[in-house]
Amino acid sequence: GQNIDQPTEMTATEGAIVQINCTYQTSGFNGLFWYQQHAGEAPTFLSYNVLDGLEEKGRFSSFLSRSKGYSYLLLKELQMKDSASYLCAVMDSNYQLIWGAGTKLIIKP
Amino acid sequence: SQTIHQWPATLVQPVGSPLSLECTVEGTSNPNLYWYRQAAGRGLQLLFYSVGIGQISSEVPQNLSASRPQDRQFILSSKKLLLSDSGFYLCAWSVGESGELFFGEGSRLTVL
Repeated sequence: GQNIDQPTEMTATEGAIVQINCTYQTSGFNGLFWYQQHAGEAPTFLSYNVLDGLEEKGRFSSFLSRSKGYSYLLLKELQMKDSASYLCAVMDSNYQLIWGAGTKLIIKP
Repeated sequence: SQTIHQWPATLVQPVGSPLSLECTVEGTSNPNLYWYRQAAGRGLQLLFYSVGIGQISSEVPQNLSASRPQDRQFILSSKKLLLSDSGFYLCAWSVGESGELFFGEGSRLTVL
């Protein structure tokens, strides 16, 4: 079966750095996505990785290792507005997105 | 620019009543369209997707149905709602085989 695993909840301090991990087992691989979802709102796209390595976009970076079936989202200089759920999703060989349950990130002052 | 709009935003329905959620996309042609459901504390569950008018694929067996009467219109329906249909419903679109999804605002359904 296909499976995406990520922690249910994480807590971090304003101004700090946090890393959210995602491991996956899917039928084929055509890219990995990270989305941000604030409570009660729709998800919004953050990043896309299809090759191994680190993709940096401002305070957010995403890393992929295809051989390990592993990705992480790194958030730097945390702000209170970063409190949200972060969803990991993998596109399988049929170009369908397989979603993780999301990681709820709580930022404390 | 492309926009997506879905409605209603919130609804409370009794068990056994019908449902109709509507979604429209502007600014793009022949998009892939999706209906997702998100239960509290759970991941996104794909319900239906469509690659063209009248082409609907169902991912899970349920009492819901979807229709695409026009290129940029996607409708989610039910004849008789169940308690388990409660959740946050999201319409989304993409182009080609791109996995980047653009979501509507969401519709929160409570079935009592």
